[in-house]
Amino acid sequence: GQSLEQPSEVTAVEGAIVQINCTYQTSGFYGLSWYQQHDGGAPTFLSYNGLDGLEETGRFSSFLSRSDSYGYLLLQELQMKDSASYFCAVRGKRDDKIIFGKGTRLHILP
Amino acid sequence: DAGVTQSPTHLIKTRGQQVTLRCSPKSGHDTVSWYQQALGQGPQFIFQYYEEEERQRGNFPDRFSGHQFPNYSSELNVNALLLGDSALYLCASSLEGGDEQYFGPGTRLTVT
Repeated sequence: GQSLEQPSEVTAVEGAIVQINCTYQTSGFYGLSWYQQHDGGAPTFLSYNGLDGLEETGRFSSFLSRSDSYGYLLLQELQMKDSASYFCAVRGKRDDKIIFGKGTRLHILP
Repeated sequence: DAGVTQSPTHLIKTRGQQVTLRCSPKSGHDTVSWYQQALGQGPQFIFQYYEEEERQRGNFPDRFSGHQFPNYSSELNVNALLLGDSALYLCASSLEGGDEQYFGPGTRLTVT
């Protein structure tokens, strides 16, 4: 089976840096994706790691290490608008099914 | 360029009834996936459609069925509604084999 584990909540201060971890148990997958979802809104795609290493997109970076079954999303220069839930997701190679983690609620303090 | 659209935005049904939700994918996308999201949870994969066929299916009963039309739009049908079917139903479109999904605003279904 496949499962993704994320912390349920993370709190950080405006302007700071925060890392949201995602550990997984899966028999094989194509890559690790990250999505942001504001309250009442739809998930929006943030980043994708098909290979190990760091991918950077503006203030957001994402990292994947297949050998450690681990990935993370790094948010820099936090803004109040970054308060949202963040989900990691994978698409399994064996069954092509898409699995989402339960999400990490990010709280940002002024 | 229109993104993913879904209708209706909200729906209230009674237990035992049937419901049909609709989705139009982002222009240029040929694959549509449906998700159920309960409050405070991550999206749960229901199924995915490509070339008018169901390709993959999550752990949902046969009460959940779908369809994809030649223009790539899709419908999700749920029969014999249960109270536990109350959730946000999300449609996402992508290119075939792609991992970047574009989500619609969702349909909030309430079963009473």
